[in-house]
Parts: sequence; structure tokens; C-alpha cells
Amino acid sequence: GAGVSQSPSNKVTEKGKDVELRCDPISGHTALYWYRQSLGQGLEFLIYFQGNSAPDKSGLPSDRFSAERTGGSVSTLTIQRTQQEDSAVYLCASSEGVDSARAFFGQGTRLTVV
Amino acid sequence: AQSVTQPDIHITVSEGASLELRCNYSYGATPYLFWYVQSPGQGLQLLLKYFSGDTLVQGIKGFEAEFKRSQSSFNLRKPSVHWSDAAEYFCAVRGSGGGADGLTFGKGTHLIIQP
Repeated sequence: GAGVSQSPSNKVTEKGKDVELRCDPISGHTALYWYRQSLGQGLEFLIYFQGNSAPDKSGLPSDRFSAERTGGSVSTLTIQRTQQEDSAVYLCASSEGVDSARAFFGQGTRLTVV
Repeated sequence: AQSVTQPDIHITVSEGASLELRCNYSYGATPYLFWYVQSPGQGLQLLLKYFSGDTLVQGIKGFEAEFKRSQSSFNLRKPSVHWSDAAEYFCAVRGSGGGADGLTFGKGTHLIIQP
């Protein structure tokens, strides 16, 4: 596609529910990144994918967070048993090679946990 | 580990006036430095970046930034702001060694433009 696409743009969920956030990177981009933008923490780097592989998952905030990427394209960030502190904007970015310095960002998914 | 400080949470500038947004970084070697802008409901748009070479970097929308190693700073400037420049501005850093490292962002500066 023309740019990084994220869906949904907004999501309101009840505490304790699971949510899935989707990222569709720019066509041909092999690397994909997830960031979280929250009021208290600012912008945090969560995880990156090279192809379908995520070499380092240590940036995920807790074991309730998981991410996968299939077919070297779409990625899903899943949050299980959501908590109010998970409320944030989740941003996805992609780049041609693994280089966060050359990544393009999507518009984000605003997650609100009530 | 690298870090970024944006000392000003909010800045108010009159339309047509000059602008300088401050950014200080902490990193052991020469970093890659960035400025991004985020308008309401929009994603992050890259304004400019510094990797090496000329320390004065020109970006889009009339913005420029200067890398000063001695001050560990990368301040963003614009000679004359427009109302459309009202947005959140983020400075970011990444180590020059690893493309897989994510960017480390400052907490942002909210720019308000007065008519």
C-alpha cells in the first residue's frame, strides 16, 4: 500500500478483555516495528520484526502482550486481559531493511480500556 | 542506554515569529538524531534527521536543526511559524551501530501558535 495502515483507528474495550491491533506495512518492507505512546511514558519502542521473526521480545511491557507477523506482511499486536494502564496509542512503522532510522509510521490505534 | 530530554512541555509562539525547540540527548558515541511532528489524530511525520556530515540539517516545511556535539543538543528551528505548525514535536535518537534498535523518543513539546 501507499503507507503503513493500522486498524482499528480507535478501540474502546472493557478491562479484562483481549484486544488485537493490526498493522499493514508498506508493500515490500521487510522490517516492522511497534511503539506505544502513553501519557505517562511517552513513546516507547516495543518490538521489531525482521520478516516473520521477532529476535527480541524484551521490550514488550508484560507477558499479556504478544505480537506476531505472518507472510512477512501484516502484524498483529495482541493484549490479553487488558488493564487501564494499557490505554495508549499504539504506533506501527515499517522499513525496507532492518533500520528503524528509515522507518515510516502509521497513524496509530488509540486504545482506551474502561 | 541513550536518552532524550525535551525540556519544554509547552511552547506558545505568535504566528510569524521564530521558533526554537530544544532537545538534549545522552549517548556515548555519535548518534542518529531525528525530529518528528505529530498533528492531532495523525501519525508521526519525519521532519529531518542527522546521521553524519554537515551539522546543520534542513528538513521539510521550512524547519532546520543543528547538531552540537559539545552541548549534546539537536535543537529544531524555524524562522517564521505558521498556524499549521501547531502540533506535538518529538526529538528522537538511535545509536549508530544497530539498525534493529528502536528509536528513543523525548516526551515531546506541544507547540501552540497564537494569532
